[in-house]
Amino acid sequence: GAVVSQHPSWVICKSGTSVKIECRSLDFQATTMFWYRQFPKQSLMLMATSNEGSKATYEQGVEKDKFLINHASLTLSTLTVTSAHPEDSSFYICSASGNHNEQFFGPGTRLTVL
Amino acid sequence: GEDVEQSLFLSVREGDSSVINCTYTDSSSTYLYWYKQEPGAGLQLLTYIFSNMDMKQDQRLTVLLNKKDKHLSLRIADTQTGDSAIYFCAENDDMRFGAGTRLTVKP
Repeated sequence: GAVVSQHPSWVICKSGTSVKIECRSLDFQATTMFWYRQFPKQSLMLMATSNEGSKATYEQGVEKDKFLINHASLTLSTLTVTSAHPEDSSFYICSASGNHNEQFFGPGTRLTVL
Repeated sequence: GEDVEQSLFLSVREGDSSVINCTYTDSSSTYLYWYKQEPGAGLQLLTYIFSNMDMKQDQRLTVLLNKKDKHLSLRIADTQTGDSAIYFCAENDDMRFGAGTRLTVKP
């Protein structure tokens, strides 16, 4: 099946810094990518829908100025957590949508903010 | 590695019940989830079951869990055309997903 990668797989940063997470579709073009976050032992929560060449659509309660999403090409979407704080520590997962609306998930990025 | 498996397609007639099945291998999962993905949209949590429960009912949805066989099912009663979507099961410890079952509801 199709492969989606994320980089980095884990990151530790100081409070107040910004962290960029990349999501790449390796063998297909993804017009749409999704960003999720998961708190420990909890369900996945959709943060935003990222469409290539246009602004991301954010779910209610997700701060768009804090979680910046850029989908500059059909194979790359980035999520930047700006001015990260300890409460932003979470597992961030992206998925890419194929031609038949199937979902391919990235392996996730674990962010720890000290 | 640990796997979550689902059948890929299910087609039912409007008004019938739908049963989507899932098997998993990680017996340490605390929660098991069902997500729904409508066309063009991201996953949304539909329901979940705690691992020490056998059954959970929520309106038209019934989740059955057989821990011995590591089998999870989602039953949708009185299936409507608006239920047409892809349904994913997932176990929470490593957040592993099944490939998704595409449910098609015919009028």
